[in-house]
Amino acid sequence: NAGVMQNPRHLVRRRGQEARLRCSPMKGHSHVYWYRQLPEEGLKFMVYLQKENIIDESGMPKERFSAEFPKEGPSILRIQQVVRGDSAAYFCASSPILPSAGANVLTFGAGSRLTVL
Amino acid sequence: KNEVEQSPQNLTAQEGEFITINCSYSVGISALHWLQQHPGGGIVSLFMLSSGKKKHGRLIATINIQEKHSSLHITASHPRDSAVYICAGPNQAGTALIFGKGTTLSVSS
Repeated sequence: NAGVMQNPRHLVRRRGQEARLRCSPMKGHSHVYWYRQLPEEGLKFMVYLQKENIIDESGMPKERFSAEFPKEGPSILRIQQVVRGDSAAYFCASSPILPSAGANVLTFGAGSRLTVL
Repeated sequence: KNEVEQSPQNLTAQEGEFITINCSYSVGISALHWLQQHPGGGIVSLFMLSSGKKKHGRLIATINIQEKHSSLHITASHPRDSAVYICAGPNQAGTALIFGKGTTLSVSS
């Protein structure tokens, strides 16, 4: 049971390029969450997905950011035309049930650190 | 909208000291999470609790749902406890977690 796998661990992009971050949830987990941690700041919710559905994207910037969790394959967070302010650590977490439900089953990946030059 | 506030923001301690980190939230929730973020950045879920107290090794978490307050205690602190401790509660939709800004703990020997 490999846990939540994120890749790449580190990604460097120039302004205007695209960044794609991937997250494979734990086996048996159908809920995926993306969080962003800006330098010197706390974690902020971005988006919650289940297979083929975006359930809550209230934390996603309105432009340039998108997320998907296809039927097959990992969840992908895509940032188009990156800017320096996108430099952050992006964490993915997964759970078999909602985090507001009864059990402590939320598992985080190690994060992907994006640096925009 | 649920606001989650932690105190203190930074905490230094000598090895062996008893540590307390506090967390308050603004709306009623069914459960609260305590997380630990290591200096390398990895995040580990320590506790999820909805009432009373939970204990794991030297870590103890308590919650008072009526007062909307939770505490994380570390007994006999050790330098390896140095990390950022984060509390988190569900958003109003129950679809994701809202995080406190974290408490940076540094334990010296």
